[in-house]
Order: sequence, then structure tokens, then C-alpha cells
Amino acid sequence: TQLLEQSPQFLSIQEGENLTVYCNSSSVFSSLQWYRQEPGEGPVLLVTVVTGGEVKKLKRLTFQFGDARKDSSLHITAAQPGDTGLYLCAAPMNNNAGNMLTFGGGTRLMVKP
Amino acid sequence: NAGVTQTPKFRILKIGQSMTLQCTQDMNHNYMYWYRQDPGMGLKLIYYSVGAGITDKGEVPNGYNVSRSTTEDFPLRLELAAPSQTSVYFCASTGTSGYNEQFFGPGTRLTVL
Repeated sequence: TQLLEQSPQFLSIQEGENLTVYCNSSSVFSSLQWYRQEPGEGPVLLVTVVTGGEVKKLKRLTFQFGDARKDSSLHITAAQPGDTGLYLCAAPMNNNAGNMLTFGGGTRLMVKP
Repeated sequence: NAGVTQTPKFRILKIGQSMTLQCTQDMNHNYMYWYRQDPGMGLKLIYYSVGAGITDKGEVPNGYNVSRSTTEDFPLRLELAAPSQTSVYFCASTGTSGYNEQFFGPGTRLTVL
């Protein structure tokens, strides 16, 4: 079974602080995705990382894929209340005729004004 | 494009009742999925479909059924609802290009009393 473990599970910070959340596995993945889910909504794709060591930036969000393609991190600079939500990492399952993803348990972020 | 739409948004059922959760996508995606998300948790795959007329079980299929008569529609049927089925249900779809990035509907919040 492929497992994605996310940490921390919960994070509550003040506006303006920086933070990093992690997605780890013992499996190697061909790619990895990060989604954000706002309260009462479905998850929305933020980014896909494909190459080991790859870094992608999306405004104040920086995503990194580990060199061995087993882990990833998401760093937010100067967090804002609009960043509040559940951050999920996901990766394609192996032997995957159904194009299925396996999801981590998520990091629930609250940014207080 | 509306993307992935789900109805209803909210529903309360009594134990033993049945209902169908509707899901429609207008992106001509072959792959569709049903997930449940319990409070504070990630997503668990209930059923998936690789195209019209083809469905298969995911991680937690017991108590549910699906059908896929058209590319656009993928309804989820609950027979004999139980309190353990209280959850938020998300439908998602993906195409054949890219890295299996999934597009999610807004969810159905179901309570079984």
C-alpha cells in the first residue's frame, strides 16, 4: 500500500508568519500534486511536481519535490488569512489502470489576522 | 464550462432510507471518482469509472453502488443508509493527458440520523 503522510496535521499561525508543511512516503512517485481545499468546497489543484529536486513557485507558495521523489514540501511566505484551508498532497498509484490518486491525510492551516 | 457539478449540496437521511447523489462533468473526461471525506480526514476512494459502462470498487465500496451510462454522469447510490455513512462526498474527474490531476465538485454533505 502506498501511503502519503502529511505533517503537521494542524497548524495555527498569525498573519505574516512563514510556514512549511511536509508530505512524506517510503514509495517513489512519478509525480506529486498539491491541492488546497477551502471550507465547504472541493479540493482545487495548486501544482504538480514531476522531476526530483524540482522547485515551483506560485506567488507566496513554494513547492519542492524531493531528489528521490519520495517526499515534497510546501512553504508559504508571509501567510495571509486567505491561505486558510486544508492542504492535501496526492500522487498517482502504481499499476494504475484507473488513473487513481492516493491522498495524504492533509494539513489543516488556520491563519489568524 | 461548469466543470464538475454535484447535487444535492446537503441532505439528511433517516437510517434505512436510500438516496442517489448526482455528479455531472462537462469536460469530456473518461475517468470519474467518488470519494468520502470524514471530519478532519483526507479522501477515501469509494468507486471509480474509466469510461461509460465500466465501474470498479475503490477502498471503501461497502454500502454504495454506482453506474456510468454516459461519459458525463456518474451517480452514487446509497442503499439502506447507516450513521457510518455520515460524511462529505466528493465527485472528481480527470482526462487522459497530464499527470492525473483531478477536478472536484463542491461536495454533498450527508447526515444519517
